[in-house]
This record gives sequence, structure tokens and C-alpha cells, in this order.
Amino acid sequence: DQQVKQNSPSLSVQEGRISILNCDYTNSMFDYFLWYKKYPAEGPTFLISISSIKDKNEDGRFTVFLNKSAKHLSLHIVPSQPGDSAVYFCAASEGGAQKLVFGQGTRLTINP
Amino acid sequence: DAGITQSPRYKITETGRQVTLMCHQTWSHSYMFWYRQDLGHGLRLIYYSAAADITDKGEVPDGYVVSRSKTENFPLTLESATRSQTSVYFCASTGTGQSPLHFGNGTRLTVT
Repeated sequence: DQQVKQNSPSLSVQEGRISILNCDYTNSMFDYFLWYKKYPAEGPTFLISISSIKDKNEDGRFTVFLNKSAKHLSLHIVPSQPGDSAVYFCAASEGGAQKLVFGQGTRLTINP
Repeated sequence: DAGITQSPRYKITETGRQVTLMCHQTWSHSYMFWYRQDLGHGLRLIYYSAAADITDKGEVPDGYVVSRSKTENFPLTLESATRSQTSVYFCASTGTGQSPLHFGNGTRLTVT
């Protein structure tokens, strides 16, 4: 039973436009959410996080939105750059960053 | 250099063989984790450790054994490898609280 779901395996966006990656979760006990970015042959790297007490967190070009009632979060990247092409994983946990549960990942391709 | 190192990067083994994947971190992080990445499943937690000599099962622990005699090392052993254990394995670590996980670059394991 997949507790964290990323329903779009891939997404293609033009350079300079906004990229929106989506993630749904089923466990209402999750209170901490993160996005990781992964390049080929490398480990995932932390991008941005949000606590359940917030509904938005921003860091430069990256913004994460959390809708607790819908159990949905999204990552907005604006403007999108070629270096943003990677696989993005959504993750969630209860009571801190330990024991993360990951989604399946979305492959983002930024086209010039 | 500080960081988290996994070895080997690539490993091919035969069904039934024992194989150990190594993980070493230099941050003195309390928590360490082993995840496997498979297409369609994202990253799934195999085992984790909250401190030296404290380990616990994750989502998919069957067929794996871990130990943590020293804070900096967290080896993962496949006692009798099976083809279903062909995967990319990632080790991660974090300190206490809501610090994001830091991942190694992975070990690609093929069981023939």
C-alpha cells in the first residue's frame, strides 16, 4: 500500500516556464514533508521541506505547498532551468525527518 | 573529506551468495538508513539505526541483515542473495530532529 504517491512518472516543461510536481499521501499522521532531487548515478539530495503547521515554504526558485485537507503537496519551480532536469521524489514522515516514506518519483525534463 | 561513502559502487553476484554493502559517514550522525530504489516503487526503507547497537526494521527487511558496532559504519548484508534483490541501494544519515537525510551515491547490485 503506497502511502506516498506521485502519479506522474514524467513531466516535460519549457525552459523559463513553471514546473509543478504533485504528490499525494494517505497517512494523516505524516507531519513533515520533503522534496529530494536526484541526478543519474548520484544519491538524492535534499531540496526543500515543509512542516504540517505551515501551508507554504519558499526557497529561491522553489516553493512547496501543502494542502492538509486534501493530503496533497506540490513543488513549484519557477523559472525552470535546464539544470533542474532530474528525478524528483516527494517524501513524508511522522515526528521528524527520520524514517522517510518516499513516492515513486517524477522525471522532470526541461526543454530549451 | 566529510560525507557519506558507499562501497562498492557496482557489484555483480550470483544467487545464493552472501554480499555486504558498506556505508561510512564522517558527520557522527546518530541515525543511519538503508533504502533500495526500484522502478515504480521509489525508495523503500530496509533497515535503520538510531545509534550504535540499535537497529530496527523498515518496510522491506526480509533477506537483509544489518549491524552498527560503530557510529560511523552501517553495513548491509544479503545473507543469500536472490534475483529480486537486484536493485540500487542507498545509505543515508541524519542527526537528531528534523534534519534532512543525506544520501550516499548508491551501490548498484545485480544478482544473476
